[in-house]
Amino acid sequence: GDSVTQMEGPVTLSEEAFLTINCTYTATGYPSLFWYVQYPGEGLQLLLKATKADDKGSNKGFEATYRKETTSFHLEKGSVQVSDSAVYFCALPNQAGTALIFGKGTTLSVSS
Amino acid sequence: NAGVTQTPKFRILKIGQSMTLQCTQDMNHNYMYWYRQDPGMGLKLIYYSVGAGITDKGEVPNGYNVSRSTTEDFPLRLELAAPSQTSVYFCASSPQPGQGGGEQYFGPGTRLTVT
Repeated sequence: GDSVTQMEGPVTLSEEAFLTINCTYTATGYPSLFWYVQYPGEGLQLLLKATKADDKGSNKGFEATYRKETTSFHLEKGSVQVSDSAVYFCALPNQAGTALIFGKGTTLSVSS
Repeated sequence: NAGVTQTPKFRILKIGQSMTLQCTQDMNHNYMYWYRQDPGMGLKLIYYSVGAGITDKGEVPNGYNVSRSTTEDFPLRLELAAPSQTSVYFCASSPQPGQGGGEQYFGPGTRLTVT
């Protein structure tokens, strides 16, 4: 079945460092792909999305490119801030289109 | 516009007790969902609904029940609480799931402890 695999965390970085969080997927066809972020004590919120192959989603300095050749949707940011400390989830719709399948989440901790 | 609201924020239950987690959305979304989040395990779908009067099981429905009498409300019922149901519960809604759309809007969560 469809699935999402994210890199294990936690990821610990200093402020202004470069961030990459890897996400690969298994799916039939070319589904939309999502990155959600969960700040401490809050629910998930959409960070960015891409709806077709080669699309690049971007928001708040984060970017991710939908690469069908490598079935990947890696999240990147050139210069992280302490306020980026959160849990990041990669997700895609299930085959029926009735819900999202989430990765296990990657915890990012940024120190000043 | 409040989005998705959940009550309560925290709750402690004794084994065997029952409770209802409330979820309301004001965005007129047809689709609503209940997930549970366990440490290091991501989110697991419990139940979902595609509209008023229509519900279906997700990945981990055992021990839970839902109803959807209105577009706005999607309560989750725990009948006989067990320690395995200790988790954080998130309600979400979406206007257009699946290909091309799919963005879900989440509530702030309910942290439930069963002892």
